[in-house]
Amino acid sequence: GDSVTQMEGPVTLSEEAFLTINCTYTATGYPSLFWYVQYPGEGLQLLLKATKADDKGSNKGFEATYRKETTSFHLEKGSVQVSDSAVYFCALEGGSYIPTFGRGTSLIVHP
Amino acid sequence: EAGVAQSPRYKIIEKRQSVAFWCNPISGHATLYWYQQILGQGPKLLIQFQNNGVVDDSQLPKDRFSAERLKGVDSTLKIQPAKLEDSAVYLCASSLSGSSVQYFGPGTRLTVT
Repeated sequence: GDSVTQMEGPVTLSEEAFLTINCTYTATGYPSLFWYVQYPGEGLQLLLKATKADDKGSNKGFEATYRKETTSFHLEKGSVQVSDSAVYFCALEGGSYIPTFGRGTSLIVHP
Repeated sequence: EAGVAQSPRYKIIEKRQSVAFWCNPISGHATLYWYQQILGQGPKLLIQFQNNGVVDDSQLPKDRFSAERLKGVDSTLKIQPAKLEDSAVYLCASSLSGSSVQYFGPGTRLTVT
């Protein structure tokens, strides 16, 4: 079945540091890929998405590129802020249209 | 636009008791999802509705869990009887028909003692 593997957290960074959170997937067909974010005390919300190979999703300074050859969708940001502290979930929706989420990666940004 | 509403926000019950959660999706969203999120893990899909029909319930423990969406709008998820391992956050999400972008509610945190 479909699966998503994320790097384990927590990821701890200083403000203005570069962020990468790795995500790889296994799926049949050509899934859509997503990053969701959960800020403290809030529900999950969509951060960005990509629906086909080589697409780049971007939002709020975050980017992720759909790499079919490496089955990856790594999340990056050039300069993180304290307000980016949250849990980030990589997810996919494949041909079965059943959403599959990773375990989540906690990001802690210090001033 | 109002978001996805869920109630209650917190529930504590003893094992073998029953519990029900309610979800009201965003108006106009035909697709509704129920997830179970155990601490430290990602959300796991329990059941997905399209209007009032079930799209997928392959991961729903049907011996104790049930869900309905009778009028194609709000939905109820029930657990009867509850087990200790059911302690988790139960998330409801909705999306427009044909869209894969989901909007999540705040969740219900269930503790089974």
